Amino acid sequence: AQKVTQAQTEISVVEKEDVTLDCVYETRDTTYYLFWYKQPPSGELVFLIRRNSFDEQNEISGRYSWNFQKSTSSFNFTITASQVVDSAVYFCALLTLESSGDKLTFGTGTRLAVRP
Amino acid sequence: KAGVTQTPRYLIKTRGQQVTLSCSPISGHRSVSWYQQTPGQGLQFLFEYFSETQRNKGNFPGRFSGRQFSNSRSEMNVSTLELGDSALYLCASSLEDRDNSPLHFGNGTRLTVT
Repeated sequence: AQKVTQAQTEISVVEKEDVTLDCVYETRDTTYYLFWYKQPPSGELVFLIRRNSFDEQNEISGRYSWNFQKSTSSFNFTITASQVVDSAVYFCALLTLESSGDKLTFGTGTRLAVRP
Repeated sequence: KAGVTQTPRYLIKTRGQQVTLSCSPISGHRSVSWYQQTPGQGLQFLFEYFSETQRNKGNFPGRFSGRQFSNSRSEMNVSTLELGDSALYLCASSLEDRDNSPLHFGNGTRLTVT
């Protein structure tokens, strides 16, 4: 069975601090996709990144970076020099492709509060 | 390009009633999926429609149903509402295959059952 664990329920940092959001996943599939989504107070989910299981290259996009490590089944997300606008709930998700239909499993989310 | 549009934004219903939520995907997107978000259960997958056919279904009772129209717009219906159905219902669209294109979510419909 698929599972995504975001152990950090809430994180509070001061602006300009770096912060890392952890994501650990479980799946027996060899082909899968990992995602991070941001949910600001307005409610919609904003896509941040998709990574497939065969691409372990880390990625950097501006102040955002992602560290994918298959050996530890982790896909952590780091925000460098955090800003108040980064305050949101962040969800990690796992997509597996099954004969009965692909399955997208979300973690429970990490609420990030960035204080000025 | 307009994003995913969900209506209504807020809804209050009483137990036993039924409700219909609407979702208009991004133009050109053919896949629409629905999710329920609650504080206790987090984000849970309801179902996915593609070309007017339900392609995938989560573990929700039969009171939850949906459909997709030829223009890719989708509706979700919940019958015989229960207090536990109070949640934020999110709709997401994607081009075709979820593994090749990311999901784009709407703002959601917040349903309160009293």
